[in-house]
Amino acid sequence: DQQVKQNSPSLSVQEGRISILNCDYTNSMFDYFLWYKKYPAEGPTFLISISSIKDKNEDGRFTVFLNKSAKHLSLHIVPSQPGDSAVYFCAASRAGGTSYGKLTFGQGTILTVHP
Amino acid sequence: DGGITQSPKYLFRKEGQNVTLSCEQNLNHDAMYWYRQDPGQGLRLIYYSQIVNDFQKGDIAEGYSVSREKKESFPLTVTSAQKNPTAFYLCASSRQGSGKNIQYFGAGTRLSVL
Repeated sequence: DQQVKQNSPSLSVQEGRISILNCDYTNSMFDYFLWYKKYPAEGPTFLISISSIKDKNEDGRFTVFLNKSAKHLSLHIVPSQPGDSAVYFCAASRAGGTSYGKLTFGQGTILTVHP
Repeated sequence: DGGITQSPKYLFRKEGQNVTLSCEQNLNHDAMYWYRQDPGQGLRLIYYSQIVNDFQKGDIAEGYSVSREKKESFPLTVTSAQKNPTAFYLCASSRQGSGKNIQYFGAGTRLSVL
């Protein structure tokens, strides 16, 4: 049962334009969401996160939007740069209970930014 | 520098052999995790530990074992019972109790079967 889904395996964007990466989840108990960036043969790097009490969080070129009613979050990168080319994973967690501390990851989206 | 160190970077396993992947962190984090990544898939949780001398199975624990004797160390053993061990293994750690479970990852170990 895939509780976190990234339905787009890949995304190609021109440098300077906006990249929008999407993520859907099914478990309404998730209350904290994260985006990670991963280069080949390296570990994921934390990018940005959002709590379920917010609908938007911004950090420089990166903004994450959360739509709780739709169980959907998205990562916007503006402007996109060639160095942003990587695999992006969304992840979700819930506070409390036996699941405390666990992250559930999506399958990842490969972003390619063309010069 | 603080961080998570995984070793070795590449590891080869012969059939019937147990191999152990090392993970060490100096971030003073309480919780540590092991994930497996297969091509085209996300990270799947193998085992996690929230405190020394305690650990829980993740979603795909069969064929794996762990120990947590020290806060800094969380080694993963891939046993001969794991029939499809070829994958990229990632170790992570996080602070507990903050309500924000940001996990920080090591550089990974790529395990292949000879």
